[in-house]
Amino acid sequence: SQQGEEDPQALSIQEGENATMNCSYKTSINNLQWYRQNSGRGLVHLILIRSNEREKHSGRLRVTLDTSKKSSSLLITASRAADTASYFCATDAGGYQKVTFGTGTKLQVIP
Amino acid sequence: DVKVTQSSRYLVKRTGEKVFLECVQDMDHENMFWYRQDPGLGLRLIYFSYDVKMKEKGDIPEGYSVSREKKERFSLILESASTNQTSMYLCASSPRFSKASYEQYFGPGTRLTVT
Repeated sequence: SQQGEEDPQALSIQEGENATMNCSYKTSINNLQWYRQNSGRGLVHLILIRSNEREKHSGRLRVTLDTSKKSSSLLITASRAADTASYFCATDAGGYQKVTFGTGTKLQVIP
Repeated sequence: DVKVTQSSRYLVKRTGEKVFLECVQDMDHENMFWYRQDPGLGLRLIYFSYDVKMKEKGDIPEGYSVSREKKERFSLILESASTNQTSMYLCASSPRFSKASYEQYFGPGTRLTVT
């Protein structure tokens, strides 16, 4: 079952612009993660935010978490062509560190 | 660096064949996972293992089985491949520190086509 739903499904921006993608989920979580997937490859972990955190930064990435709205957003600032990829949120599903992935946002950054 | 390797990047099999997908990780992780990824459906968990010889069904285990005889290796088996199992298969591993989930490390994926 899908816990996270990303929005938008696809996003196209110019290099240098900021990209924002959102994730909504249904049940309480311990933490939420964001992953990146380049075309036809495996996923790479970007950032993890815990349920008691509201905001977290990592380089050009900024993640927010609003547990009252059951939503998270990923902001990529000053985007580059190399940021072109699909981005997935993943929420923990309880026990043994299972996570449930959303359907992803496909980001295209145009040089 | 954590390394998760999968036995094949591309695989073409015929309907009814028995298919083995192998995954090896070199970081002594307790947890290992198999997902399939299909357009519009994201990643769906097939099976996972939290220790040697232990396995748990994920969301879509039908038509699949798994084997974990050694800590570093987790195999996905399609007993009798069918065309609806054509997909990208992703293996992942993660350490087990506590009950909270932790980042997963993914292999490059195997794109399986069943004809």
